[in-house]
Amino acid sequence: AAGVIQSPRHLIKEKRETATLKCYPIPRHDTVYWYQQGPGQDPQFLISFYEKMQSDKGSIPDRFSAQQFSDYHSELNMSSLELGDSALYFCASSSGQTKETQYFGPGTRLLVL
Amino acid sequence: SQKIEQNSEALNIQEGKTATLTCNYTNYSPAYLQWYRQDPGRGPVFLLLIRENEKEKRKERLKVTFDTTLKQSLFHITASQPADSATYLCALDLYRGSTLGRLYFGRGTQLTVWP
Repeated sequence: AAGVIQSPRHLIKEKRETATLKCYPIPRHDTVYWYQQGPGQDPQFLISFYEKMQSDKGSIPDRFSAQQFSDYHSELNMSSLELGDSALYFCASSSGQTKETQYFGPGTRLLVL
Repeated sequence: SQKIEQNSEALNIQEGKTATLTCNYTNYSPAYLQWYRQDPGRGPVFLLLIRENEKEKRKERLKVTFDTTLKQSLFHITASQPADSATYLCALDLYRGSTLGRLYFGRGTQLTVWP
């Protein structure tokens, strides 16, 4: 079965650079969630989209923005990167009609030097 | 303040025994409680979901209970195997139709099953 696809899987950036993370949800899933997981931490919710509209916003810095496109894929844009942004970034998807379970992608490991 | 606590950061058991993981929460009123498995550097993998009006759910060797009075969920793995070694995350979903279900995660319990 198709799963959530994230790219890139690994990313190394310098401080103050920008990064774009991409997420391709499971086919026919219309809801996308972004989470950030620091080393040894639990995943923290950043933002979610349902039918291309932002549906919920968590602890996402103002330096970050995200959107969901017409094909339901989503991109997380991160600017003015800081050392503390180094983390695993997970995308999850679900179906808005039978929303219960979120299926997570493999994550993008971002390292800011 | 709102908290989700999972028992001991690490749990070590012998193969064949039953592993019991605990998730306690305060100041939440979840509609659903979910358990995920996470391997190092990988995304969480969904295991089981239990609704607030359900007491128990089973799937193969897995069983989850949910006590909304005690604000506690227990997650059991019977006949444990070394392949069950991973971190298990408890996640709360407050969705009741007005939001779209961000998950609130506990820190996880790292389970090691030794032969």
